[in-house]
Order: sequence, then C-alpha cells, then structure tokens
Amino acid sequence: EIVLTQSPGTLSLSPGERATLSCRASQSINSRYLVWYQQKPGQAPRLLIYGASSRATGIPDRFSGSGSGTDFTLTITSLEPEDFALYYCQQCGASPPYSFGQGTKLEIK
Amino acid sequence: QVQLVESGGGVVQPGRSLRLSCTASGFTFSSYAMHWVRQAPGKGLEWVALISYDGSNKYYADSVKGRFTVSRDSSKNTLYLQMNSLRAEDTAVYYCVRYVQGYYYYVDVWGKGTTVTVSS
Repeated sequence: EIVLTQSPGTLSLSPGERATLSCRASQSINSRYLVWYQQKPGQAPRLLIYGASSRATGIPDRFSGSGSGTDFTLTITSLEPEDFALYYCQQCGASPPYSFGQGTKLEIK
Repeated sequence: QVQLVESGGGVVQPGRSLRLSCTASGFTFSSYAMHWVRQAPGKGLEWVALISYDGSNKYYADSVKGRFTVSRDSSKNTLYLQMNSLRAEDTAVYYCVRYVQGYYYYVDVWGKGTTVTVSS
C-alpha cells in the first residue's frame, strides 16, 4: 500500500504570498496518477490538479503542480482569500487502495 | 450538467445495515468506473470502494472488506453501497465520485455527500 505524507500539516500565510505544499509517497508513483484536491468547510472536495501538473478545467493559473517519483508539490502563487482551505493529494493509480494524504490546512496568518 | 446525488444516509445502531444510493446525471454513467470515498467528522478523506464501469470488478479498503458491497444499476444510472455490520468508526460523510481512466487517472466529479452516523 502506498502511503502519502503531506507537509506541513498547517501552513499560515497572508494573501499575496506564495504557498508550497508537499506530498511525499512511500514508494514511487507514476505521475499520471497523482492528483490534488481543494476542500472548503462544508463542501465536497474539488479537483485542482491531475497528472501531477495538469490543471483541471476552471482552475486559475496561480495553481501549479510538479514532481515525480515520490515527491510532489502543489504551488499557489499570490494567494487569494478564497484559496485558504484544505488540500489533499491522492494517488489514483492502476491498483487499489487509492490512498489520500492526510491533508494540509492553508490558513490566513 | 454532470451531477452526482447521494442519498440513504442516517442514524443507525452499531451492527445494523444501511444502503446508500448515488444517482448520476449529465453523463454516460455506464462508461465510468465509480468510487465511494468517506470523511469522518473532522478527519481526512478515506477511499472506501471502487466498481468498474461494467460492475465486473470491485475493490475495497481493508477497513470495510467483508462488510460493505458496492454495486451499480446502469439502467437506473445509480451506484449503491450496501453497508452491513456497521461500527462507530464508519460514521462519516460518504461521497460518490466519478473516476476518469484514460492516459491520466483521477476523480473529477464529487457528489455533495450523505451523512452516516453509527450510534446507539
């Protein structure tokens, strides 16, 4: 089973700053299967990034994903007030279990 | 528009059963594999089960294996999760999600979720 570890657990930043969120896998993942979601309180998660670096439809270009193998990063340049939320990575690979990271909470400083 | 609507949640005693449903609209349901994902109160996301587009293959998280059964009825555009021998730790919001499998694999559509509370 692939374990995904996200860091930091909580990230405190101000609007306009740059956020860097990490997702580390316990074994190598095909980057085609690495996904990032955003979740706001009381809402279902929303797809942000698939294939480690491809933005989903309607996602602003301040969101970008990168990485390969065991280390993946979600970067948000110039944070907007609506970006403060929970972020999860997931490996959607060819075989189960399709594990999620434990999440990173991005909060306003 | 593409939509997933879950139903069937509620309060149930430990050891009892519950069946969740998820009605799909706005896309060809029979062409997509589907997952159930859950989120316990204040916790992260947990993958629960996957069913292939035609229902021929099913996979489960170890935490629910032998107790939960995923199924689908493409004539009704509906996904199901039969949950037996429920435990307190099954308390969660249950999401039905669409699985895209092409060059990339990812979940692109989420329902709003249905809440299951297991309590005596």
